[in-house]
Amino acid sequence: ETGVTQTPRHLVMGMTNKKSLKCEQHLGHNAMYWYKQSAKKPLELMFVYNFKEQTENNSVPSRFSPECPNSSHLFLHLHTLQPEDSALYLCASSLGGLATYEQFFGPGTRLTVL
Amino acid sequence: AQTVTQSQPEMSVQEAETVTLSCTYDTSESDYYLFWYKQPPSRQMILVIRQEAYKQQNATENRFSVNFQKAAKSFSLKISDSQLGDAAMYFCAYRLSNYGGSQGNLIFGKGTKLSVKP
Repeated sequence: ETGVTQTPRHLVMGMTNKKSLKCEQHLGHNAMYWYKQSAKKPLELMFVYNFKEQTENNSVPSRFSPECPNSSHLFLHLHTLQPEDSALYLCASSLGGLATYEQFFGPGTRLTVL
Repeated sequence: AQTVTQSQPEMSVQEAETVTLSCTYDTSESDYYLFWYKQPPSRQMILVIRQEAYKQQNATENRFSVNFQKAAKSFSLKISDSQLGDAAMYFCAYRLSNYGGSQGNLIFGKGTKLSVKP
């Protein structure tokens, strides 16, 4: 495996379900990110982790709960979601948090909330 | 607050022709980075080209080049000799330099969908 991988690639869940999205990077990076991509809207940064510490929470509702157990893995725990949370969720990683470091993106998880 | 605007939701180009995608941004800062990302259908977003604001010379990567006009806050992407594989969503993005915190996060435009006709 190379690059940034995300599982599952597609997820359909009811509003009362609890599910988790997983991201794994094989690049030796120290910073990881969650983005939300909705149709006809710019990508929205949700969370940033640097060296396993959360450095950014972009006013994300508490029904989204991130977890970063180590520099290679990032999770997004979902519970009691709303239909408007349906979107493509992208994970990214970079060598560090500075602008000079390129962010590498995963393929995304297409989430549908019924 | 910094913003990035892509005024062309969709563009179309004939194979082997040249196309230019527009991007403007708003910032009061002088030191920053600008990026173009490509997101093919159902595939990962990848970095196409990067421009440091302090560099006057326009960045180029093979068939991809930019026209960076700092005073006008414009950052267009030119794709020469377009190929079928260039069909994708293209996102313009901005990032403040040398900040590890929130001020250094990527700010994206809404994207331009590029179609390439054979």
